[in-house]
Order: sequence, then structure tokens, then C-alpha cells
Amino acid sequence: QKEVEQDPGPLSVPEGAIVSLNCTYSNSAFQYFMWYRQYSRKGPELLMYTYSSGNKEDGRFTAQVDKSSKYISLFIRDSQPSDSATYLCAMNFGNEKLTFGTGTRLTIIP
Amino acid sequence: DTAVSQTPKYLVTQMGNDKSIKCEQNLGHDTMYWYKQDSKKFLKIMFSYNNKELIINETVPNRFSPKSPDKAHLNLHINSLELGDSAVYFCASSPLTGARAAFFGQGTRLTVV
Repeated sequence: QKEVEQDPGPLSVPEGAIVSLNCTYSNSAFQYFMWYRQYSRKGPELLMYTYSSGNKEDGRFTAQVDKSSKYISLFIRDSQPSDSATYLCAMNFGNEKLTFGTGTRLTIIP
Repeated sequence: DTAVSQTPKYLVTQMGNDKSIKCEQNLGHDTMYWYKQDSKKFLKIMFSYNNKELIINETVPNRFSPKSPDKAHLNLHINSLELGDSAVYFCASSPLTGARAAFFGQGTRLTVV
């Protein structure tokens, strides 16, 4: 079993819809949780990181962490075609190593 | 004004060759990394350096040797390239202990033929 599980998709939603992306993890020692966006042929770009359980909002993006269920989510409101990308969750123990999910490929249909 | 820059962007080479990838960051970060992304897009850490010192070596074959001449540079040298080394290699840097805000370069797409 991988430490971090993420549905690879692909996921297609119409423009304007709310998108929900999720990851589960097996190691309760993970402390920090991150979401990265990766456009095709580009490097991953940090969207958000969170530490505690609960919600963190940044513009159209909301990151949610439920440590008791070992489950994290990223919600994208009012989705745009420019949000089409692969979304990677990542987490770490507070050290220098990030453990990534496999990424979910998202397409927003105009 | 590229924050983390890697060269070359593409690299095609024959099995058995030795090649290097260079990485530079102008963000003033103390920590730098090399990650490998395979054909299924899975990103896995290879090495981490903090202020020129190796702090993570994630069971990478010793054909891979990172070198950090100063804290703004982290190069990756690969000896005796194999077909399985074909992947995209990403350099990253972080301002915080714990890699929570790692900034990635554009990647180097290595193809071994």
C-alpha cells in the first residue's frame, strides 16, 4: 500500500463547477499537507499548505485536512479552463522529504 | 527572473554515457532538492541538501552523484546511464525547514536510448 493514495482521474467538469480533489494517507505521523498544480511540461507549483485539521482558504481554493480520517481535500470554486492541470497532493513529517500522491488530471470544459 | 532554473531542459543520450544537469536558485533558500518524475507522473525525492550539506539520500543508485558548490546551486551527475533513468528530473528549493513551500524548476526531460 502506498503511503499516499490519490485517484489519477482523469476528471472532467464543466466550467464554473466546484471541483473536489482528494488524497488519503496511511501514516498518521504526517504533519504538513500541500497541494501542487502541474501544467503539462512544467514544474509543480505550490498552491497551498496546511498544518492542522480544518479548512484553509485562498481565493477560489480551499484546502481541507481531516487528520482523524487521514484524508485531505482541495476544493476549487468557479472552476476555469485555466485550472486544467494535474493536481498533486504532498505531505511530510516536518523533515525535508515530501511524499507525493500520483496526481489527478483535471480538465475544465468551457 | 526565473526562481529555480535547470539546464538543459531536454537531454537525449545513449546508454552508458555520463551526463550532468545543472540547477540554480536565486531565491536565497538554504535547502535544495532533486526529484524524479517517472512516466506515470509519480514524483519521488532523490536528494536534499541544506546549505551545501547532504541531508537526504533516498536509496538512489550511486551512479547518481549530486554536488552543491554553494547553497544556490545543486547539480546532478549521472554515470553509466541506463534506459530506466529516462524520466523528468526536477530541482527544487525551499525557504523553510521541512520542505513545506518547495519551489520547483521547469524540469529536465532525460531520454536514454
